[in-house]
Amino acid sequence: GQQLNQSPQSMFIQEGEDVSMNCTSSSIFNTWLWYKQDPGEGPVLLIALYKAGELTSNGRLTAQFGITRKDSFLNISASIPSDVGIYFCAGHSIFGNEKLTFGTGTRLTIIP
Amino acid sequence: DGGITQSPKYLFRKEGQNVTLSCEQNLNHDAMYWYRQDPGQGLRLIYYSQIVNDFQKGDIAEGYSVSREKKESFPLTVTSAQKNPTAFYLCASSTPIGSGEKLFFGSGTQLSVL
Repeated sequence: GQQLNQSPQSMFIQEGEDVSMNCTSSSIFNTWLWYKQDPGEGPVLLIALYKAGELTSNGRLTAQFGITRKDSFLNISASIPSDVGIYFCAGHSIFGNEKLTFGTGTRLTIIP
Repeated sequence: DGGITQSPKYLFRKEGQNVTLSCEQNLNHDAMYWYRQDPGQGLRLIYYSQIVNDFQKGDIAEGYSVSREKKESFPLTVTSAQKNPTAFYLCASSTPIGSGEKLFFGSGTQLSVL
């Protein structure tokens, strides 16, 4: 199955820094979802996007549905220790079926 | 509380044994899914079901079987034909596609081979 290209694969930042990550696809999507996964737990939905250009915030998190409909971005401002984890994007292609396609994940680590 | 419950949290399988992972949801969702996650990897779809008594193979269905006799339940059986079953298994359910779809996950089951 197709997978989205998510970058970067990993990030090492200091507490208080801002974080940016993105996902790109070769096909047009009509839904983008962003998840965070803690070790040994299931992914938790952070933000859902349904329209091109849509910008949605959830606390310190902001995500955007790219204008081209082939990408999405997630930003985290003023990172704190509990932001550590793996962030996944997921999307629904307009040519697709009932299945979401998942990115390969961005692992965020905060350096003391 | 509404949500998805997976059990057990940890499961061990002996050689040649079938094991069944439980997934129950009380979100009244029609669609349910099983994913496999290997260490440091993304999610791979095993099986999904859009409605009771119907299910479809995902990308890695070989060695697995499912049933969907009730809307709330979607158990996954890892059969002896699955030669590399050690992984983290995630169950999910979703709101309808095309109407603000959202996918919600359970807390996972870690399966290991003895």
